[in-house]
Amino acid sequence: DTGVSQDPRHKITKRGQNVTFRCDPISEHNRLYWYRQTLGQGPEFLTYFQNEAQLEKSRLLSDRFSAERPKGSFSTLEIQRTEQGDSAMYLCASSFGRTGQGGEKLFFGSGTQLSVL
Amino acid sequence: DQQVKQNSPSLSVQEGRISILNCDYTNSMFDYFLWYKKYPAEGPTFLISISSIKDKNEDGRFTVFLNKSAKHLSLHIVPSQPGDSAVYFCAASGNTDKLIFGTGTRLQVFP
Repeated sequence: DTGVSQDPRHKITKRGQNVTFRCDPISEHNRLYWYRQTLGQGPEFLTYFQNEAQLEKSRLLSDRFSAERPKGSFSTLEIQRTEQGDSAMYLCASSFGRTGQGGEKLFFGSGTQLSVL
Repeated sequence: DQQVKQNSPSLSVQEGRISILNCDYTNSMFDYFLWYKKYPAEGPTFLISISSIKDKNEDGRFTVFLNKSAKHLSLHIVPSQPGDSAVYFCAASGNTDKLIFGTGTRLQVFP
């Protein structure tokens, strides 16, 4: 098991273009999370899935953002009509079960660095 | 509204000494707290956690202390080693599975 894998590692795009990122969680993990990190800030929650069901979305997640996990395995995060403010590191994480008081650890991938020109 | 705050952006400590990283939170509903470490170009990795029913948790060189009345937690690393140089994030969770992270503290351990 190689851990949480994210692709691509880096993405440069022009304002207004659509981008899609992929995350492959640790194989037996049923929960998958997306976070965003900008310079000087900590990771910021975007959304999470239990299997294929999207259980929570941050109110920070605008309509231009959509995430899917069609078969409960890998996930994609799409950003439509990118804006310069979308430039950030997009982190994917997975866990075997409930984190927090559930006791399961959250394992992060190395992230996708998005730069919108 | 920053619910988890790390007011020290950086900390420099000599090798062998104790490193103390601090974190404050505002949400009384938080009941589980974690510390993550992040190296450049890598994702955060879990370090240690503590439930709100405890006031201390220890794992090797790392100890986390929780003061619920003050809504404050701290991470102690002793002795500090050069390999501990990284950004440390405090995180908290309540009745949902999402973690709320602080802004991080960059620790530098020098020889």
